[in-house]
Amino acid sequence: DIQVTQSPSSLLASLGERVTITCQTSQSISNNLNWYQQKPGQAPMLLIYYATSLQTGMPSRFSGQYSGRSFTLTITSLEPEDIANYFCLQHYSAPYTFGAGTKLELK
Amino acid sequence: EVQLVESGGGLVQPGRSLKLSCLASGFTFSNYGMNWIRQAPGKGLEWVASISSSSSYIYYADTVKGRFTISRDNAKNTLYLQMTSLRSEDTALYYCARHRGAMGITPFDYWGQGVMVTVSS
Repeated sequence: DIQVTQSPSSLLASLGERVTITCQTSQSISNNLNWYQQKPGQAPMLLIYYATSLQTGMPSRFSGQYSGRSFTLTITSLEPEDIANYFCLQHYSAPYTFGAGTKLELK
Repeated sequence: EVQLVESGGGLVQPGRSLKLSCLASGFTFSNYGMNWIRQAPGKGLEWVASISSSSSYIYYADTVKGRFTISRDNAKNTLYLQMTSLRSEDTALYYCARHRGAMGITPFDYWGQGVMVTVSS
């Protein structure tokens, strides 16, 4: 099974700050990783797919990059509505596996 | 607008069965692979099962293999998860999620809001 290690597990940031979250996979998955945002009581929403593609309708302050087995989600300038949980998912092969999640909070 | 609405959850005793449904709307259901994912209280997300658009390909997590059955009725736009021999560790919020295509190496793009299953005596 492909392991996905996400960091940090929690993050305190200020409005306007640049935020970076990372997922590392245990084996190569090419670009087959997604990033999601989830707010309490709501369904997860796809932010980034195939590691770097911004889902239609999502703000351009969200971006994804990858190099080898390391994947990053960046929020260039934190907005109040970005306070949420973020997690990654590798869809390269079953069993599909998730990062443990990052809880993003306001400093 | 793509919508996925889960139903069928509730409180069930260990060893009993329960069947979840996920009603899809806003897209051509028969063209997309589908998944069940769960999240136990205070825990991370766990993929449970996947089914391709035509039901030709089905995959399960080892934790549910032999106990859970994923199926779909494309005429009714509905995905199912039949759960048998339920255990306390199956207690979770169960989500259905759509593949971006028939299945293959495609992202999960839309998710439902989830339905709670509690296994307890």
